[in-house]
Amino acid sequence: DIVMTQSPDSLAVSLGERATINCKSSQNLFHRSNNKNFIAWYQRKPGQPPRLLISWASARESGVPDRFSGSGFGTDFALTISSLQAEDVAVYYCQQYYNTPHTFGRGTTLEIK
Amino acid sequence: QVQLQESGPGLVKPSETVSLTCTVSGGSISSSYWTWIRQPPGEALEWIGYVFYDGITNYRASLRSRVTMSVDTSNSQVSLKLTSVTAADTAVYYCARNKEGMNILDLWGRGALVTVSS
Repeated sequence: DIVMTQSPDSLAVSLGERATINCKSSQNLFHRSNNKNFIAWYQRKPGQPPRLLISWASARESGVPDRFSGSGFGTDFALTISSLQAEDVAVYYCQQYYNTPHTFGRGTTLEIK
Repeated sequence: QVQLQESGPGLVKPSETVSLTCTVSGGSISSSYWTWIRQPPGEALEWIGYVFYDGITNYRASLRSRVTMSVDTSNSQVSLKLTSVTAADTAVYYCARNKEGMNILDLWGRGALVTVSS
């Protein structure tokens, strides 16, 4: 199985500052069939189901604020929030869908400093 | 808009079978693949598998002998059956919709807690 390692486990950032969450996969997630990286990012706020933020490493889902961005290639990826807002407090997960079983990172808890 | 709602028994005894249902409202159940994911307490999200309305399935290898997924189009429900449960199957179980036929989960239910205990 592909192992998705997220870091850090938790992160405290001041309002308006940048937050970066990293995700490293144990195998390459870039597929030449469509020249894309098979990784998604999800946000889960307390009491809510997970929400898809980004797919294909960097494609923002409709309705997701543009302060959220995804980057990376191959095995190293990042989710960046350019200017943290109070409503961004949540747990963030990466997920690979390159092959089954589709595996998730353990999550990064983002808090306000 | 489309909403997903999981339901299940809550508490199940070891060795029994747990059946979970995901009711899809506000959209067509036949237009998407549907995925089940679970999260044991303190553990990572775990992909269980997916099902299409025509019966196509893909299950996690480690659970394949115990898992069955199906789609009931008449009731707009996706079901998950897990046999011979143990305490290790205690988890919140989520159903989710696959986006555009890919294994990108663009809509999730709120989840249903299943506790395996005697």
